Amino acid sequence: GENVEQHPSTLSVQEGDSAVIKCTYSDSASNYFPWYKQELGKRPQLIIDIRSNVGEKKDQRIAVTLNKTAKHFSLHITETQPEDSAVYFCAADNAGGTSYGKLTFGQGTILTVHP
Amino acid sequence: EAQVTQNPRYLITVTGKKLTVTCSQNMNHEYMSWYRQDPGLGLRQIYYSMNVEVTDKGDVPEGYKVSRKEKRNFPLILESPSPNQTSLYFCASSLGSAEQFFGPGTRLTVL
Repeated sequence: GENVEQHPSTLSVQEGDSAVIKCTYSDSASNYFPWYKQELGKRPQLIIDIRSNVGEKKDQRIAVTLNKTAKHFSLHITETQPEDSAVYFCAADNAGGTSYGKLTFGQGTILTVHP
Repeated sequence: EAQVTQNPRYLITVTGKKLTVTCSQNMNHEYMSWYRQDPGLGLRQIYYSMNVEVTDKGDVPEGYKVSRKEKRNFPLILESPSPNQTSLYFCASSLGSAEQFFGPGTRLTVL
C-alpha cells in the first residue's frame, strides 16, 4: 500500500520567515495531494491541494509543489505569522484510476511561529 | 449550516462492550470516511465509502465495521473494543476527490 513520509516532525521559525514541509509518497498511482492544518483541539481543515497534472499551485502565502518523478511534494508558507502555528498534514490519494478516496496521511509537522 | 456531526464527542467504555459512533453530514456528499488520530502517527484511515452501500478498507480496518445505508450517515461500529482502540476518531465527507470536511472528533477511551 501507499506510504507517506513527512519531514520535519517539528519546525520552529521566527515571524516573517518562510517554512517548508516536505512529503514523499511511494505509490506512483497516487494523483491527489491535499494539505491539512489542524489547530490545537480542533478538526483538520484543508488549506491547499494539488493534482498530479499540475506542478505548482499558490494561494496567497501558501504554495504547494509536486515532483511526480521523484514522488515528493512540499508545502511552502511565506511571511509566517503566529496564527500559522499548528500541525500540518500532507496526504496522498492512492485509490488510483477512476476511483478515489483511499487517503494516506503523513505523520504531521508541528509548526511553531515565534513572534 | 453545512456540517459533519459526530456523536458522542467523548466516550469512556470497557473492553468488549460494543459501541457505535455516529456520523452524519448535510451536504449531500457521496464520499465519507473514518480516521483515527494517535500521537506521532498522524491520521490513519479506517474505512471509506464512495456512496450508499459502497465501502472499502483503509489502512487500519481491523476491529472496526462500517455501514452506509443512507447517503448522509456513516456509523463506525466497534463490536468488541480493546484498549488499543483508545484514540481520537474523525469522520469526514467530501464531494468526490476533493476537500474533505471533518467532523469535530470523538475521543474514545477503552479501559
